[in-house]
Amino acid sequence: RKEVEQDPGPFNVPEGATVAFNCTYSNSASQSFFWYRQDCRKEPKLLMSVYSSGNEDGRFTAQLNRASQYISLLIRDSKLSDSATYLCVVNRGGNQFYFGTGTSLTVIP
Amino acid sequence: NAGVTQTPKFQVLKTGQSMTLQCAQDMNHNSMYWYRQDPGMGLRLIYYSASEGTTDKGEVPNGYNVSRLNKREFSLRLESAAPSQTSVYFCASSEGGQLYEQYFGPGTRLTVT
Repeated sequence: RKEVEQDPGPFNVPEGATVAFNCTYSNSASQSFFWYRQDCRKEPKLLMSVYSSGNEDGRFTAQLNRASQYISLLIRDSKLSDSATYLCVVNRGGNQFYFGTGTSLTVIP
Repeated sequence: NAGVTQTPKFQVLKTGQSMTLQCAQDMNHNSMYWYRQDPGMGLRLIYYSASEGTTDKGEVPNGYNVSRLNKREFSLRLESAAPSQTSVYFCASSEGGQLYEQYFGPGTRLTVT
C-alpha cells in the first residue's frame, strides 16, 4: 500500500469556484504534513504546512483528520494562477518525506 | 541568493555510462535530499544527508551513490546507468528534521537509452 494516496484528477473548475482535494496516508505514526504546489516542468514549492488544528492562508485552508488519516486542501475563489499540480507530503519522523502523486487542477476562464 | 542550484539541466546517457549530478545550496541548510520523479509515481527519496558528513538511504537507493562534499554541496552518482533510471531528479535542502520546508532545485532531466 502506498504511503500517500491522492486523487490524480484532473480537476477542471471555473474561475471563482471552490475546490477541495483530499489525501490519505497509510502510517498512523506520521507526524508532519504539507501541501506543495508544482507548476508544469518546474520544481515543487511549499504551499502550506498542515497543523492538527487546521490552518488557513488567504484563500487556502488545510485540515488534518488523524482518526481517518487524511488531509485536505480547500481553495476558495479559484484564480487562473492556481492552475498547477498539488502534492500531498507526509513525514513519519526524521528526514524521510513521502510525496503523493499529485492532483492536477486547471482553472478555466 | 540563488537558493538550490543543480547541474546539468538535461542529460542523455547510454546504458552503462556513468555520471554525477551536482547540487549546491546557499541557504546554510543542514539537510539535503535527492529525489526522482516519475509519471504516476510521485517524488521518491533516493538518499538524504541530515547533516554534513552523514548520508542515509531513502526509499529507492539502488543504483545510486551520494557524497556530501561539504555543507553546501551534495552530489548524486550513477555508476552504470540503466534505462530504468530515466527520470527527473530533484535536489532539495532544508533546515533539517520533519517540520521544516524543503527548498527544491530546478531539476535535472535524465534520459538513459
